[in-house]
Amino acid sequence: EIVLTQSPATLSLSPGERVTLSCRASQNVNTYLAWYQQKPGQAPRLLIYDASNRATGIPARFSGSGSGTDFTLTISSLEPEDFAIYHCQQRINWPLTFGGGTKVQIK
Amino acid sequence: EVQLLESGGGLVQPGGSLRVSCAASTFTFSTYAMSWVRQAAGKGLEWVSAINGPGTSTYYADSLKGRFTISRDNSKNTLYLQMNSLRAEDTAVYYCAKGSGGYWYFDLWGRGTLVTVSS
Repeated sequence: EIVLTQSPATLSLSPGERVTLSCRASQNVNTYLAWYQQKPGQAPRLLIYDASNRATGIPARFSGSGSGTDFTLTISSLEPEDFAIYHCQQRINWPLTFGGGTKVQIK
Repeated sequence: EVQLLESGGGLVQPGGSLRVSCAASTFTFSTYAMSWVRQAAGKGLEWVSAINGPGTSTYYADSLKGRFTISRDNSKNTLYLQMNSLRAEDTAVYYCAKGSGGYWYFDLWGRGTLVTVSS
């Protein structure tokens, strides 16, 4: 099973700041990695797929990069609605796996 | 509006069984892979099971060890998860999620249904 490790567990930031979240895979997942955003009491929403492709309707301030075992989700300038938990997920191997999540909270 | 609506969650005793359902609307259900993902309170997402569009291929998390069965009825636009021999650690919100095109990512999620395993 591929283990995805997200860091840090929590980030405290202010609106307008740039955010960089990390997801590290225990083995090579090529670029077969997605990022999701989840707000309290809501289902996750797909942000990025195949490491760097924005899903439909996702604002340009969200971008993804990486390949192999190291991936990054960047939010160029935090908006108030971006405070949430972010999850990564790999699809290269069964079972599909998610990372433990990174919470982005208001400082 | 494209949506997924789960139902069937509730309180069940350890060792019991439960079937949760997911009704899909306004998309061609039979052409998309579907999955179940669960989330225990305050925890991360855990993928549970997946099924392809025709229902001919199924996949499961290793930890389930044959206790759960995923199925679908494309004539009813409905996805199912039969859960047997339930344990306290199965307590979670169960989400159904639609596969994104030909990829095993999830571009549409339901609101989830809570399954609580407790005596």
